Amino acid sequence: TQLLEQSPQFLSIQEGENLTVYCNSSSVFSSLQWYRQEPGEGPVLLVTVVTGGEVKKLKRLTFQFGDARKDSSLHITAAQPGDTGLYLCAGTNAGKSTFGDGTTLTVKP
Amino acid sequence: DAGITQSPRHKVTETGTPVTLRCHQTENHRYMYWYRQDPGHGLRLIHYSYGVKDTDKGEVSDGYSVSRSKTEDFLLTLESATSSQTSVYFCAISLTSGFSYNEQFFGPGTRLTVL
Repeated sequence: TQLLEQSPQFLSIQEGENLTVYCNSSSVFSSLQWYRQEPGEGPVLLVTVVTGGEVKKLKRLTFQFGDARKDSSLHITAAQPGDTGLYLCAGTNAGKSTFGDGTTLTVKP
Repeated sequence: DAGITQSPRHKVTETGTPVTLRCHQTENHRYMYWYRQDPGHGLRLIHYSYGVKDTDKGEVSDGYSVSRSKTEDFLLTLESATSSQTSVYFCAISLTSGFSYNEQFFGPGTRLTVL
């Protein structure tokens, strides 16, 4: 069984602060996806990282895939209340994804 | 945009009754998935399908069965519902065909309560 551990589980910050969320595993993945989920809705894909050491930026969000393709991080710069939600990472091998338990982010105005 | 609908959106049932949840996609995506999501947990894979009549088990398949007789429909059946199956169920399709990728688009979810 491939396990993904996300940390922290909960994060509450003030608007304008920076934060980093981590996704760690002992397994190697072909690719890793990050999703964001709002209450009452399904997860929405943010990004896919594929190559070890890869860095992708999506406006104020920066995603990094570890060199060994076992871990990833999500950094948000100058967080806004609209960033509030559950952030999920998912490691993919052979067409199937294993999800972490998520990080619940609350950004207070 | 891929369109996925799930029905019903909410259901309350009693222990021991069979329940079928439906997932319908409007495009011909080959891969479809059923997940459950419980408080404090991410998404756990129940079953998935890689084509009509081609299905396989996920990590939490006990007590569940699936069928896919048409590309657009993927049904999840709880053969005899138990309280431990109270959860939110999400259907997803894979937007990417490569085996190393699994960029999924999710439906709105079905909230199931088993009393």
